[in-house]
Amino acid sequence: LAKTTQPISMDSYEGQEVNITCSHNNIATNDYITWYQQFPSQGPRFIIQGYKTKVTNEVASLFIPADRKSSTLSLPRVSLSDTAVYYCLVGDPDSGAGSYQLTFGKGTKLSVIP
Amino acid sequence: NAGVTQTPKFRILKIGQSMTLQCTQDMNHNYMYWYRQDPGMGLKLIYYSVGAGITDKGEVPNGYNVSRSTTEDFPLRLELAAPSQTSVYFCASSYLYKEVSEKLFFGSGTQLSVL
Repeated sequence: LAKTTQPISMDSYEGQEVNITCSHNNIATNDYITWYQQFPSQGPRFIIQGYKTKVTNEVASLFIPADRKSSTLSLPRVSLSDTAVYYCLVGDPDSGAGSYQLTFGKGTKLSVIP
Repeated sequence: NAGVTQTPKFRILKIGQSMTLQCTQDMNHNYMYWYRQDPGMGLKLIYYSVGAGITDKGEVPNGYNVSRSTTEDFPLRLELAAPSQTSVYFCASSYLYKEVSEKLFFGSGTQLSVL
């Protein structure tokens, strides 16, 4: 089973860049890496997805090294509203054809301090 | 667009009661999922469906049942509610466009307490 490891929590001041790293040593060749954000009392929300190198959208950047055994979510100039739990997911190649189960770990709780 | 809609938002059950959590999506997604989230924890997959008429167990299926008679609807049934089923339940859907990685769209959740 593809498994991810990420820090339990992080603190950051407003305006700083935040980097959250996720380890996924057993990532499969066809797996993509996906990050979700969850605010209290809400369902998770898709942030960004990538396969290799770097992906950037209006919210974040995702850096993936050549060996793809880790990935880093980068949030530029965070604000108080970025306080949330961030989950790193990879596809589960052992779930069988056409039925991939995405596993959410405990995620990283980011607290942005004024 | 409505996206994924869950009802009810809150519910209190007595031990042994039964109920159905409703979930519907209007995005014509083929995959649908039910997760539960206990306080301070990640999400655990209960059941999922890859299309109408097809369902399968996730990580924690005991005490739950599902059905998928249409593409839009994926209700979750709790039989004989127990305090261990106190949790927040999220329904999600996705459209398989890559082989192993899918964007999930989540509902706003149902907070269930079993007393």
